[in-house]
Amino acid sequence: RKEVEQDPGPFNVPEGATVAFNCTYSNSASQSFFWYRQDCRKEPKLLMSVYSSGNEDGRFTAQLNRASQYISLLIRDSKLSDSATYLCVWGLYNFNKFYFGSGTKLNVKP
Amino acid sequence: DAGITQSPRHKVTETGTPVTLRCHQTENHRYMYWYRQDPGHGLRLIHYSYGVKDTDKGEVSDGYSVSRSKTEDFLLTLESATSSQTSVYFCAISEGTSGKNIQYFGAGTRLSVL
Repeated sequence: RKEVEQDPGPFNVPEGATVAFNCTYSNSASQSFFWYRQDCRKEPKLLMSVYSSGNEDGRFTAQLNRASQYISLLIRDSKLSDSATYLCVWGLYNFNKFYFGSGTKLNVKP
Repeated sequence: DAGITQSPRHKVTETGTPVTLRCHQTENHRYMYWYRQDPGHGLRLIHYSYGVKDTDKGEVSDGYSVSRSKTEDFLLTLESATSSQTSVYFCAISEGTSGKNIQYFGAGTRLSVL
């Protein structure tokens, strides 16, 4: 079983739509969670950390459900510039190791 | 942007030749990592370092070695390159303290082994 499972997509949505991605993780000892964004042929860049209480950054909302071992990312009012691949990541503090999902591709169309 | 520089950015080499990729950071972060990224597999950890001369294997370490003689430099060596090592290689750094273990990535190295 993979450490992190993501739907690869693509999710094709019109501008202005709301879209949500889920990601499941296998290790209940996971301690830190992140969403990264990766543009085509570029490096991953941190989008947001995910906290137990959930957190919001503008149009982006991240949630963590430890009981069901999944994290989610909600994007409201999608922009063309949101088109990218979104990577789900979890990490272990003690070992400073991180586990990446294969990514979910989002295409926002005019 | 995090101060991470990878070199070279692109390389084409032949099977059987040795290849060294360099990662240089200006952030003085303790942890450094080498990943490879292939379609359908996401980012897979090759090796990582938790200090000068302190390194450990990741999930896909066969055929790769690393060295870290200075805090700022982390080298990845393919002793004898094979076509299966054609990939995009990313270096990452992390401060390594609880609550600040976010990873930042270099721009990547595209390696083709013919």
